[in-house]
Amino acid sequence: GENVEQHPSTLSVQEGDSAVIKCTYSDSASNYFPWYKQELGKRPQLIIDIRSNVGEKKDQRIAVTLNKTAKHFSLHITETQPEDSAVYFCAASINNAGNMLTFGGGTRLMVKP
Amino acid sequence: SQTIHQWPATLVQPVGSPLSLECTVEGTSNPNLYWYRQAAGRGLQLLFYSVGIGQISSEVPQNLSASRPQDRQFILSSKKLLLSDSGFYLCAWSSGTNNEQFFGPGTRLTVL
Repeated sequence: GENVEQHPSTLSVQEGDSAVIKCTYSDSASNYFPWYKQELGKRPQLIIDIRSNVGEKKDQRIAVTLNKTAKHFSLHITETQPEDSAVYFCAASINNAGNMLTFGGGTRLMVKP
Repeated sequence: SQTIHQWPATLVQPVGSPLSLECTVEGTSNPNLYWYRQAAGRGLQLLFYSVGIGQISSEVPQNLSASRPQDRQFILSSKKLLLSDSGFYLCAWSSGTNNEQFFGPGTRLTVL
């Protein structure tokens, strides 16, 4: 089955700096890669996703890049703000009957004011 | 628009007691439904998923079970809770034609 590794497990940045979180996946058939943000005690929220026919996608301060050959994808947050502090999860999925997601272990991002 | 509900929001149960958590989705039909568990400070573990009424697939063997009695209702149950069942239980749905999954507000279960 699919295996998703996520690094780093914790990341501390100064407000205004950029943050990068990286994930690798094992199954070359995976074709959908979402990122979720989970604030303390809350549900994970889908913040951006990318499909395998695209190499990069951007939404304001957030961007995701995908390298299918190397089987890795990354989340980039620019001009970080204290409200970006949360746990971020990457995931990978194959478009099949169950559309199941395999999640990475999460990255705790702390943005210092 | 679609909405997903879970109840109860929090639950404290003694070891050995039964469990029933409910999840319902509004605004869509024939969704894929999922149950996840998240231990404190940990990642998301897929427990069960369902692609239709009465169709349940289990990802992790345990003392939990799931049922889908109606198209937009997904229930997580246990006959006897263990201490290790404590955690944050999240229900999620996807359209079945699209991989995007959306999570419910979760149930925080503490087993004492």
